[in-house]
Amino acid sequence: SQKIEQNSEALNIQEGKTATLTCNYTNYSPAYLQWYRQDPGRGPVFLLLIRENEKEKRKERLKVTFDTTLKQSLFHITASQPADSATYLCAYSGSARQLTFGSGTQLTVLP
Amino acid sequence: DAMVIQNPRYQVTQFGKPVTLSCSQTLNHNVMYWYQQKSSQAPKLLFHYYDKDFNNEADTPDNFQSRRPNTSFCFLDIRSPGLGDAAMYLCATSRPGTDTQYFGPGTRLTVL
Repeated sequence: SQKIEQNSEALNIQEGKTATLTCNYTNYSPAYLQWYRQDPGRGPVFLLLIRENEKEKRKERLKVTFDTTLKQSLFHITASQPADSATYLCAYSGSARQLTFGSGTQLTVLP
Repeated sequence: DAMVIQNPRYQVTQFGKPVTLSCSQTLNHNVMYWYQQKSSQAPKLLFHYYDKDFNNEADTPDNFQSRRPNTSFCFLDIRSPGLGDAAMYLCATSRPGTDTQYFGPGTRLTVL
């Protein structure tokens, strides 16, 4: 069965640097992948969606890539700020109307 | 602002005492979901409604039930909470044709 893995539980970076988070899937390429941000004690908030036929998607300081050869999506935050500290979840759509989430990467941006 | 609201934000119950969590939405979305999320884990889908059509995940325990009396409201009933049911419960909505989900703030359930 399809699995989605975010292989860094935690990532610490210095303010101003680019944070890069990884999401890998195991089997077939999902039609699209989504990235969410989750703050402690809060629900996830949708950030970006990238389709299988898109190589890259940008939104302000955020960039997502989708590499079907590597079975991987990368999520970048440029010029990172302490306010970017949160857990970032990737998710794919398997069955209709359902998302399967990875366990997330906890990002800490150090001032 | 259109949003997803969950009440209460924190719920404490005793082992075996039934509890109901509520979710309401002003987005007028057809689909509503309930997830369970434990610390440092992925949200786990329990069930979802497409309008009044109820869809239960195969591994959702019978202890968990849900009701959706109208488009705006959805309830999660835990009939006999065990210690292992302590978690954050998240409600989410989406529109047909898109899988992007809009989450509420969650209800943190503690079982004593």
